[in-house]
Amino acid sequence: GENVEQHPSTLSVQEGDSAVIKCTYSDSASNYFPWYKQELGKGPQLIIDIRSNVGEKKDQRIAVTLNKTAKHFSLHITETQPEDSAVYFCAASKQTGANNLFFGTGTRLTVIP
Amino acid sequence: IAGITQAPTSQILAAGRRMTLRCTQDMRHNAMYWYRQDLGLGLRLIHYSNTAGTTGKGEVPDGYSVSRANTDDFPLTLASAVPSQTSVYFCASSEGQANTEAFFGQGTRLTVV
Repeated sequence: GENVEQHPSTLSVQEGDSAVIKCTYSDSASNYFPWYKQELGKGPQLIIDIRSNVGEKKDQRIAVTLNKTAKHFSLHITETQPEDSAVYFCAASKQTGANNLFFGTGTRLTVIP
Repeated sequence: IAGITQAPTSQILAAGRRMTLRCTQDMRHNAMYWYRQDLGLGLRLIHYSNTAGTTGKGEVPDGYSVSRANTDDFPLTLASAVPSQTSVYFCASSEGQANTEAFFGQGTRLTVV
């Protein structure tokens, strides 16, 4: 099955700096790559996703890049704010729908005011 | 709109006991899922249901069963709990194969002693 690796496991940045989280996947057939944010005591929430027919997608301060050849994708958060502090999960899937999502192990991001 | 409601929020359970975790959604989503979240392992799919009346096994189904008698409810049952089932359990739903976003509940923290 699919194997998704995520790095780093923890990340601390100063407010206003950028944060980058990286993931690799093993199955070249995977074609959908969402990112979820999980705040303390809550369930994960989708923040951005990308499909294999595009290389980059941006939504305000967050962006995701995908390199299909190298089988890796990254989350970029610019101008970080304290409310960005959370655990972030990447995932990969071969088809739309969550029943085939394979998650990374998570990155705990701390934004220091 | 409540979204996805899970119950109970937390539970301490004696090993060998039977337990049903409840999940209800009011979004009329076709697909529903159960994940467990363990430190260092991310989220792993236990069981899923693409539509009412059908269920399927995920990555870690052993020791768990599910049913999908109607669109809204997707209970997860542990027939005879073991300590390795201590985890945080998340229920999720999505509109189905055509819609990719998964909406998660708040989670149930289960401790088997």
